[in-house]
Amino acid sequence: DQQVKQNSPSLSVQEGRISILNCDYTNSMFDYFLWYKKYPAEGPTFLISISSIKDKNEDGRFTVFLNKSAKHLSLHIVPSQPGDSAVYFCAVINTGGFKTIFGAGTRLFVKA
Amino acid sequence: DTGVSQNPRHKITKRGQNVTFRCDPISEHNRLYWYRQTLGQGPEFLTYFQNEAQLEKSRLLSDRFSAERPKGSFSTLEIQRTEQGDSAMYLCASSFSSGTYYEQYFGPGTRLTVT
Repeated sequence: DQQVKQNSPSLSVQEGRISILNCDYTNSMFDYFLWYKKYPAEGPTFLISISSIKDKNEDGRFTVFLNKSAKHLSLHIVPSQPGDSAVYFCAVINTGGFKTIFGAGTRLFVKA
Repeated sequence: DTGVSQNPRHKITKRGQNVTFRCDPISEHNRLYWYRQTLGQGPEFLTYFQNEAQLEKSRLLSDRFSAERPKGSFSTLEIQRTEQGDSAMYLCASSFSSGTYYEQYFGPGTRLTVT
């Protein structure tokens, strides 16, 4: 059973424009929602998180939005840069928990 | 400390052989995790240690898999009698047990190919 779904395997965006990556989850009991970024030959790197009690968290060019009623999470990157080209994983975890559940990832291409 | 390290980075083995991977976490982290990632999928949780205690194992972890973390420092993941279906990237991660515990730091992974 896929508890975290990223339905877009890939996304191509022009440099300077906005990148929007989407994620849906099934369990309303999750407490933290995370985005990880992965470059080839490297492990995933934590990017940004949001608690279930918030609906927006911003860190520089990266903003995560949480819509609990729709069980939907999105990551906005503005402006997109070629160095942002990577695979982005959506993930969820419960308070005090250890098991992080990852989506299948979306490969982002930012064209110069 | 420069991060989580894993060795070897690549391992090619023949079906039926045993393999062992090592993970060295960030020294101040007391939580350690193992994940498996196959092509086109995100990391899948395998097991978790708090210090030296193995507190959770996924049902993905068959009896052929065993993990240890002696003295709560480095960890090893052993696969016995490897099968072609074991071919994957094996990722190790570490984190604190409080505060930003949800932020896990991943190593570069060990890519296993079973021929």
